[in-house]
Amino acid sequence: GPKVLQIPSHQIIDMGQMVTLNCDPVSNHLYFYWYKQILGQQMEFLVNFYNGKVMEKSKLFKDQFSVERPDGSYFTLKIQPTALEDSAVYFCASSWTIANTGQLYFGEGSKLTVL
Amino acid sequence: GDSVTQTEGPVTVSESESLIINCTYSATSIAYPNLFWYVRYPGEGLQLLLKVITAGQKGSSRGFEATYNKETTSFHLQKASVQESDSAVYYCALGDSTNTGKLTFGDGTVLTVKP
Repeated sequence: GPKVLQIPSHQIIDMGQMVTLNCDPVSNHLYFYWYKQILGQQMEFLVNFYNGKVMEKSKLFKDQFSVERPDGSYFTLKIQPTALEDSAVYFCASSWTIANTGQLYFGEGSKLTVL
Repeated sequence: GDSVTQTEGPVTVSESESLIINCTYSATSIAYPNLFWYVRYPGEGLQLLLKVITAGQKGSSRGFEATYNKETTSFHLQKASVQESDSAVYYCALGDSTNTGKLTFGDGTVLTVKP
């Protein structure tokens, strides 16, 4: 079936550095999402993105976070600067229509470790 | 806030046995939530198993069923006869019908089906 690819699968960085997580969504999908899962906790919504803009973001989406998808390339989540509490697995998802009528397709996740 | 509680795993059953994974929800900010079951098979991203957007209705897919019960705020996942290939992690989730793609997930239930 359709696949969402995430790069890298695992990244280790020092606190204060910048990190960019990349997501290659399903072709022709229009809506994009990031979710965050801290070890042992539930997967939580961070942000969604459509037509070049953030539609909604949660309180977990701190000022240090940003998302973009320049010219139909990767949908990215950038964290600058990183903090220890940013250590988590970040899941990207995409959908053809908005999530509750359409189907979300998730990637396998990018595990971020901040030291 | 909104929350989802599901059967704490891991759950182990033998092939051809019946299965039920419980899910209850609390939707304090959503009048008419949409309910979902997602599944993550080994080595794959999370994918939609079934969804129900109307209270009282039943959803089904791949032999799994779940009924949206507004009175008991439940959405239990059932299958009459499981197969080894059903071994996966199952997540119950709820979403806002007004819809932004913001899903609230449960903790996930690890299911192992023994041959």
